[in-house]
Amino acid sequence: AQSVAQPEDQVNVAEGNPLTVKCTYSVSGNPYLFWYVQYPNRGLQFLLKYITGDNLVKGSYGFEAEFNKSQTSFHLKKPSALVSDSALYFCAVRDGRDYGQNFVFGPGTRLSVLP
Amino acid sequence: DTAVSQTPKYLVTQMGNDKSIKCEQNLGHDTMYWYKQDSKKFLKIMFSYNNKELIINETVPNRFSPKSPDKAHLNLHINSLELGDSAVYFCASSQLAGPQETQYFGPGTRLLVL
Repeated sequence: AQSVAQPEDQVNVAEGNPLTVKCTYSVSGNPYLFWYVQYPNRGLQFLLKYITGDNLVKGSYGFEAEFNKSQTSFHLKKPSALVSDSALYFCAVRDGRDYGQNFVFGPGTRLSVLP
Repeated sequence: DTAVSQTPKYLVTQMGNDKSIKCEQNLGHDTMYWYKQDSKKFLKIMFSYNNKELIINETVPNRFSPKSPDKAHLNLHINSLELGDSAVYFCASSQLAGPQETQYFGPGTRLLVL
């Protein structure tokens, strides 16, 4: 069975500084990895995903994530944080072998970007 | 235009009542899902439907029954509501049911059981 860990409940960063939100995963087959963002009282919005190919994936709003197979990680990054990036971020994994299997989400990391 | 919509947005009801939450997607997707987000923001899949057929049914009390009248709709009916059912329920859809598919989420329905 797959699982996802987001080791930090909260990440604080100053506006303009680089940000990293960490994610590690466990899956039996090939990992398909996703990042979603949830703004207050809103649904989840898709940011980016890794299926295959380049380990560095670029997504919406200037975010990117790096797939690291040896460390089983898929950390979300942005070179320069904005106050408007403050939200709840979810990492999710699916097992590429299993049709019909659904996302397993991490517990979420709350990002606060301070002006 | 809203891609995945849910009604109602808020639902406050008494224990023991029966209620339904509706979900519609106008993306032409084949697969729809229901998720539950608890008070700690933990998200868990409840059901998954592909072309109106159930493909995933996680460990969910049988008081919860999904109904898919067509590919664009997946409604969630809850019988005999309990306090622990209070949560935010999200509907989602994807083009297909494959593991590489991106899921698109609705805005959520905030259910409070008193």
